[in-house]
Amino acid sequence: DIVMTQSPDSLTVSLGERATINCKSSQTVFYSSNNKNFLAWYQQKAGQSPKLLIYWASTRESGVPDRFSGSGSGTDFTLTISSLQAEDVAVYYCQQYFSSPYTFGQGTKLEIK
Amino acid sequence: QVQLQESGPGLVKPSQTLSLTCTVSGGSIISGARYWTWIRQRPGKGLEWIAFIYYNGNTYYNPSLESRLTVSVAPSKNQFSLRLSSVTAADTAVYFCARTGTDNYFDSWGQGTLVTVSS
Repeated sequence: DIVMTQSPDSLTVSLGERATINCKSSQTVFYSSNNKNFLAWYQQKAGQSPKLLIYWASTRESGVPDRFSGSGSGTDFTLTISSLQAEDVAVYYCQQYFSSPYTFGQGTKLEIK
Repeated sequence: QVQLQESGPGLVKPSQTLSLTCTVSGGSIISGARYWTWIRQRPGKGLEWIAFIYYNGNTYYNPSLESRLTVSVAPSKNQFSLRLSSVTAADTAVYFCARTGTDNYFDSWGQGTLVTVSS
């Protein structure tokens, strides 16, 4: 199984500041035949189901604010929130869909300072 | 906008079978190349993919659960279902149904249902 490891486990950032969450996979999730990274990011607010933010490592889902961006390739990925808003308080998960079983990171809890 | 809604008992006794149904609305379960998915989240833990099913009944299971799993689909009812046998306290979780996007990420989720395994 591909193990997804996120860092940090929790993060406190001031409103308007940048938040950066890292995700590392135990094996590459890059598929050279289509030049894509099989990596997604989700946001889960308290008491809610996860919401897809990013797929193919850097493609923003429709309706997701452009302050959210994804980057990285191979085994190392980053989710960046460029200017933190109060509504961004949540737990964020990365997920690989390169190979079964499809696995998630342990989550990063983002709070406001 | 497709919507998904889980339903089923919230309490299951140890060694019994957990059964859940997901009802899809706002779109047909047979339209598009999408897989219909079960995912769970154990208390204080992260997310665990359980299984996919396609509208034609093709299934893909997490090997860690496969021996106890049955996932089925009822296209005429726009529903798909999960059965997990021989449950223990470790199966206590919020169970989500979801839909895959153009590949095996999950672009629509149900609200989730808590299933507690306890005598």
